[in-house]
Amino acid sequence: DVKVTQSSRYLVKRTGEKVFLECVQDMDHENMFWYRQDPGLGLRLIYFSYDVKMKEKGDIPEGYSVSREKKERFSLILESASTNQTSMYLCASTLLGTTADTQYFGPGTRLTVL
Amino acid sequence: DAKTTQPNSMESNEEEPVHLPCNHSTISGTDYIHWYRQLPSQGPEYVIHGLTSNVNNRMASLAIAEDRKSSTLILHRATLRDAAVYYCILRVPGAGGTSYGKLTFGQGTILTVHP
Repeated sequence: DVKVTQSSRYLVKRTGEKVFLECVQDMDHENMFWYRQDPGLGLRLIYFSYDVKMKEKGDIPEGYSVSREKKERFSLILESASTNQTSMYLCASTLLGTTADTQYFGPGTRLTVL
Repeated sequence: DAKTTQPNSMESNEEEPVHLPCNHSTISGTDYIHWYRQLPSQGPEYVIHGLTSNVNNRMASLAIAEDRKSSTLILHRATLRDAAVYYCILRVPGAGGTSYGKLTFGQGTILTVHP
């Protein structure tokens, strides 16, 4: 079974802190994604990566950056956390990225910024 | 990804079939129809997908209208563990024939299953 793991289920940080969210997949998938999920807004794509060291902005990249130094690992970075970044963060991966491909999600990290 | 329309919520009784509808009137010929669900406090999980023909797997069935402008996810015998938000998503090819796997989630249908 494909496994996507995220470094923390729950995280509490203070405004202005630098925050790292880590995601690891074990299926040699090419593409990895970071979404955030908020009540009433659904899931929104922040960034994605289609290869090592390659990244593309999603729909809401402001305030975030990403890093993909190894194929299996995709990190989301909040350079200076703010309260409006309190959210559920979901990582996902998919093998090829075709329209028939299946996307696999991690369990999520619920981040609270105080 | 193109837009889909789903009811906000539906209810079912345990062990009864559930039919979750989805309208996608602007679907194009190469768009795949995907269904994902999200159980409470978990990430979304894949349920099923199809292009033109009806599809079955161990979780559910997908019935696609002949004109492809609508589809129905069928849970044959709902259990309490099927209570979740169900998302119907159209996968549209991007540049070069790939969308890199991006998914655009709508609000989905909240399914409540009563014992």
